[in-house]
Amino acid sequence: QVQLVQSGAEVKTPGASVKVSCKASGYTFTNYYMNWARQAPGQGLEWMGIIKPSDASTGYAQKFQGRLTMTRDTSTSTVYMELSSLGSEDTAVYYCARGGEMITSGWGSFDLWGRGTLVTVSS
Amino acid sequence: EIVLTQSPGTLSLSPGDRATLSCRSSQSVRSSYLAWYQQKSGQAPRLLIYGASSRATGIPDRFSGSGSGTDFTLTISRLEPEDFAVYYCQYYGASPFTFGPGTKVDIK
Repeated sequence: QVQLVQSGAEVKTPGASVKVSCKASGYTFTNYYMNWARQAPGQGLEWMGIIKPSDASTGYAQKFQGRLTMTRDTSTSTVYMELSSLGSEDTAVYYCARGGEMITSGWGSFDLWGRGTLVTVSS
Repeated sequence: EIVLTQSPGTLSLSPGDRATLSCRSSQSVRSSYLAWYQQKSGQAPRLLIYGASSRATGIPDRFSGSGSGTDFTLTISRLEPEDFAVYYCQYYGASPFTFGPGTKVDIK
């Protein structure tokens, strides 16, 4: 079945880093872009960046440049999102979301979402 | 950077009512890259509409999208109990893939 399964909740102290995983199944992993978005408590959605699993090329929102890293492991169909220098403002639910099929639709809308991973930053 | 504005912030309606949600862009965008999502409390968003007017797989035909340029609309023809949620528009034609702030549709 087509799905994205994310890793579990994390609690981090300020200044630490967090790495969240997103395992894809049920479709050809390297054919679709993958995005990460986040949602702070009671707030809206914020796009963070995109990765092209076929060649690992990435694009990040300017806000996260320098502290966001997206990687992938094609052997396990998993993408990773690592955010460093965490502050309390990074407390949020982090989602991976499948984008478009590269050959046919480019970046694409987000048609498949993981359930989200709650990252709490607290001293 | 494209900035999306949604109105109203909250829409209070009854089941069976028609809902009209607005999404306005700070500059003209290609409608091919405008999407709408539904998010219920505690759940991940769900894609409803892509390309401004195409329904995603499995989305009931009471949901429809329209618009072009800077003004886009999501219409729910007759609200079902499960439609009370928050709705976001998104532009995915250029980075950053901006989301609007959302419209909450709640029960009157």
